[in-house]
Amino acid sequence: DVKVTQSSRYLVKRTGEKVFLECVQDMDHENMFWYRQDPGLGLRLIYFSYDVKMKEKGDIPEGYSVSREKKERFSLILESASTNQTSMYLCASSRGGLVKNIQYFGAGTRLSVL
Amino acid sequence: EDKVVQSPLSLVVHEGDTVTLNCSYEVTNFRSLLWYKQEKKAPTFLFMLTSSGIEKKSGRLSSILDKKELFSILNITATQTGDSAIYLCAVIPSGTYKYIFGTGTRLKVLA
Repeated sequence: DVKVTQSSRYLVKRTGEKVFLECVQDMDHENMFWYRQDPGLGLRLIYFSYDVKMKEKGDIPEGYSVSREKKERFSLILESASTNQTSMYLCASSRGGLVKNIQYFGAGTRLSVL
Repeated sequence: EDKVVQSPLSLVVHEGDTVTLNCSYEVTNFRSLLWYKQEKKAPTFLFMLTSSGIEKKSGRLSSILDKKELFSILNITATQTGDSAIYLCAVIPSGTYKYIFGTGTRLKVLA
C-alpha cells in the first residue's frame, strides 16, 4: 500500500512565524504535490514537484515555498505565516509519466495561524 | 477556464437509501476523471474513468462517465453510516500531472 505521511495532524503557529510542513512517501513516486483545502473552495494546488530539486508553481503559490532535496520528502514552507494561511494542508504523491498517475494523499495537517 | 462542478454540495440520507452524486466538467483536452472519498483523514482513491459509458464498480459503489455530455455520476446503493464523507471529483487534462478538483459533496448517512 502507498503510504504518504505528513509530520503533524494539527499545528498552531503565530503570525510571522516560519512554518515547515513535512511530507514523506514510501512508494518511490516521482511526483509530489501540496494542496490547501478550504470550505467552499475545494482543493487548490500550491506547488508540485516532478523530480528532486524540481518544482512548479500551482494555482496559489503566493506566500509559500517548497523544498525537495530527496525523492521521498517534499516540504512546504510558510516564510512568514499569516492568518489567511489557516487551512487544511494536504500532501499527495504519484508516479511519473502521464498514464494512470493516481495521486495518493496524506492525512492532512490542520494549521491554525493566530 | 477549466472547471469541475459537483452537486449537490451536501446531502443527508438514511441508511439503506441510494444516492447519486454528480460531477460535471469543462476541461480542455480531457484525459481522466477520478473519484475520491474523504473522511477525517486522507482522501482515498475510489475510481478512475477514462472511457465513456463503461461502468466502474466496487461493492455498493459504482461510477460512469459520459464524455459527450461532460459529466460523471457516483452511485452508492444501500448506504451505511460508514459512507458518511466528502466525495471529491477531479479531472486530469491531457499533458499534465495537475488535477482540477470540484468542491466536493458532503454526504451524511443517518442510522
